[in-house]
Amino acid sequence: AAGVIQSPRHLIKEKRETATLKCYPIPRHDTVYWYQQGPGQDPQFLISFYEKMQSDKGSIPDRFSAQQFSDYHSELNMSSLELGDSALYFCASRETSGSADTQYFGPGTRLTVL
Amino acid sequence: AQKITQTQPGMFVQEKEAVTLDCTYDTSDQSYGLFWYKQPSSGEMIFLIYQGSYDEQNATEGRYSLNFQKARKSANLVISASQLGDSAMYFCAMRELHTGRRALTFGSGTRLQVQP
Repeated sequence: AAGVIQSPRHLIKEKRETATLKCYPIPRHDTVYWYQQGPGQDPQFLISFYEKMQSDKGSIPDRFSAQQFSDYHSELNMSSLELGDSALYFCASRETSGSADTQYFGPGTRLTVL
Repeated sequence: AQKITQTQPGMFVQEKEAVTLDCTYDTSDQSYGLFWYKQPSSGEMIFLIYQGSYDEQNATEGRYSLNFQKARKSANLVISASQLGDSAMYFCAMRELHTGRRALTFGSGTRLQVQP
């Protein structure tokens, strides 16, 4: 079965640089969520999109922005990177019209800021 | 206020034995979903099991079952016949359907180690 695809899997950046993380949801899934998991922490919700519109916003810094495109893939743009942004970034997708309420996670992008 | 509480930072279990991972939750929403995810050391987040607040039967998925006690607001994960590959971090999560955020709220996790 198709899964959520995230790219890149690993990313190393310097402070104050920018980064773009990509997410390709499971086919027919119309909702995408982004989560940030710091070392030893539980995942924290950043932002979500439904049918290409922002549907909810969590603890996403103003330096970050995201969007969902017409093919339902999503990108998380991160600017002015800080050391504290080093984390595992997950994308999850869900089929809103389906009977199941489950969010399926991608493998994550591990971002290291030096 | 913390919505999901996992009081066991770490658990040990012998191979082939059953283990229960505790999870309590807090919500004023009548309609919500409860989830368990497994995170191995490789980092991916693997969905295990789901329980809806209106489901009368406890959810089961293979060796995983969810002991749902609505009045106590608990949703414990039971893993039967533990295997070495079950060693991982386990997260309990909740999604409120009518109030609050529709994204998942996670507990702090329980690290399970299965011993041979």
